[in-house]
Amino acid sequence: NAGVTQTPKFRILKIGQSMTLQCTQDMNHNYMYWYRQDPGMGLKLIYYSVGAGITDKGEVPNGYNVSRSTTEDFPLRLELAAPSQTSVYFCASSGGGAGNTIYFGEGSWLTVV
Amino acid sequence: GQQVMQIPQYQHVQEGEDFTTYCNSSTTLSNIQWYKQRPGGHPVFLIQLVKSGEVKKQKRLTFQFGEAKKNSSLHITATQTTDVGTYFCAGEGGSNYKLTFGKGTLLTVNP
Repeated sequence: NAGVTQTPKFRILKIGQSMTLQCTQDMNHNYMYWYRQDPGMGLKLIYYSVGAGITDKGEVPNGYNVSRSTTEDFPLRLELAAPSQTSVYFCASSGGGAGNTIYFGEGSWLTVV
Repeated sequence: GQQVMQIPQYQHVQEGEDFTTYCNSSTTLSNIQWYKQRPGGHPVFLIQLVKSGEVKKQKRLTFQFGEAKKNSSLHITATQTTDVGTYFCAGEGGSNYKLTFGKGTLLTVNP
């Protein structure tokens, strides 16, 4: 009963480095999302996808890229990491359509120094 | 675009006191969902409200959806230390079924 699995759980990056946060879900959900949550703040949508091969920008897409080659996987790529990208990142999925609830992964704590 | 405002941002209570958080949308919603995030954890779905004026209860938690489907509230009776966390509302509206989250209310409970 894995649900949404994201890795790594913790990572420290140096400024200018790049990395990929992995996310996979086993619920056959069409919709997948990436959110970031800064300390004591709410959730900000980075990118989302309504199905394989389709991605779209959320509120705060700058500095990130995503791909959705399969239904299960939705990796988030950070290019040229900056201190402003220090945050907790949550991957999530839902079945899509009206009234579907969102299932979140456990989060990835990223620090850029 | 759709905006969801949530107040208060923080609430500190003594154990046994009641707690309420309010959510207001700039547009009419098709439904509203509530999530709870424990400290250091991830948001977890609590409930969904769909009908105008709907009221649902989960033990000490009471959820309401306004008649105009633009506002909602979560009320906790007699808080316990296990209620500590951030409560988010999330409104769904428009044709793209995308949820818009409020900024959350952080509840702390003094035992």
